[in-house]
Amino acid sequence: GAVVSQHPSWVICKSGTSVKIECRSLDFQATTMFWYRQFPKQSLMLMATSNEGSKATYEQGVEKDKFLINHASLTLSTLTVTSAHPEDSSFYICSASGQRGTQYFGPGTRLLVL
Amino acid sequence: AQTVTQSQPEMSVQEAETVTLSCTYDTSESDYYLFWYKQPPSRQMILVIRQEAYKQQNATENRFSVNFQKAAKSFSLKISDSQLGDAAMYFCAYLTKAAGNKLTFGGGTRVLVKP
Repeated sequence: GAVVSQHPSWVICKSGTSVKIECRSLDFQATTMFWYRQFPKQSLMLMATSNEGSKATYEQGVEKDKFLINHASLTLSTLTVTSAHPEDSSFYICSASGQRGTQYFGPGTRLLVL
Repeated sequence: AQTVTQSQPEMSVQEAETVTLSCTYDTSESDYYLFWYKQPPSRQMILVIRQEAYKQQNATENRFSVNFQKAAKSFSLKISDSQLGDAAMYFCAYLTKAAGNKLTFGGGTRVLVKP
C-alpha cells in the first residue's frame, strides 16, 4: 500500500521549453501532495504544498510562475517547469500525504535542461 | 522554526553488526511525528520508521528501532544485523500539523556497509 508514482523518471529538454511532471497516488487518496527539489549530496528542499481543489502554497524563494502546480484530483498533482533553463536542472520528488500525515514519496524525476 | 540536526555525515558498519544514527530536533510543539527515511542510490525515498511524539514506547520495524527521548529532543535510529542493502542515505524528519504537515529534514547520514 501507499504507492506513489511519478512520470517521467528522466527528461532532457531544450532551454526555453516547458516540462510537466506528474505525481500520482496509486492506492490511496491524497488531499495534500508536496513537491521537493534535491541537489546532489543534499537534503530535500520543499518547494510547495499542493492541495486538491485549491491553489498551491509556495515556499519562500520559489517562483510560482516558474513552477506551476495543479492538483486536479485526489490522486494527481502536476508540476510544470515553465521556460526551463539550465539552472532548473535538478532532481524533483513528489510526495503524497497519507494516514496521520505520513508522506509517501514518488521515485523522482531527473530533469536536465540543455 | 523547527530544525532537525544529524551530526554524523557518514557512518560505516560491518555487515551483520549494529550501527546507530543520531538525530536531534528543536521544536516548541507538543504534538508531532518523527520519521526516518532511507534514500538508496536509486534516490527513491523509503519510509523506514515512524514515531508519534505522544507515544512513550519506541517504534520498531524488524531490524530497525528508534530511541526516542522526548525531553532531550533526540530520535536515534538503530540498524541491527546490518545488510549490504542497508547502504544508503538516511534522513531524519519531523512533522507537525501546526506547520501544515510539512516535513522538516535533517542533512542526512550516509551509511556504508562493509562486507
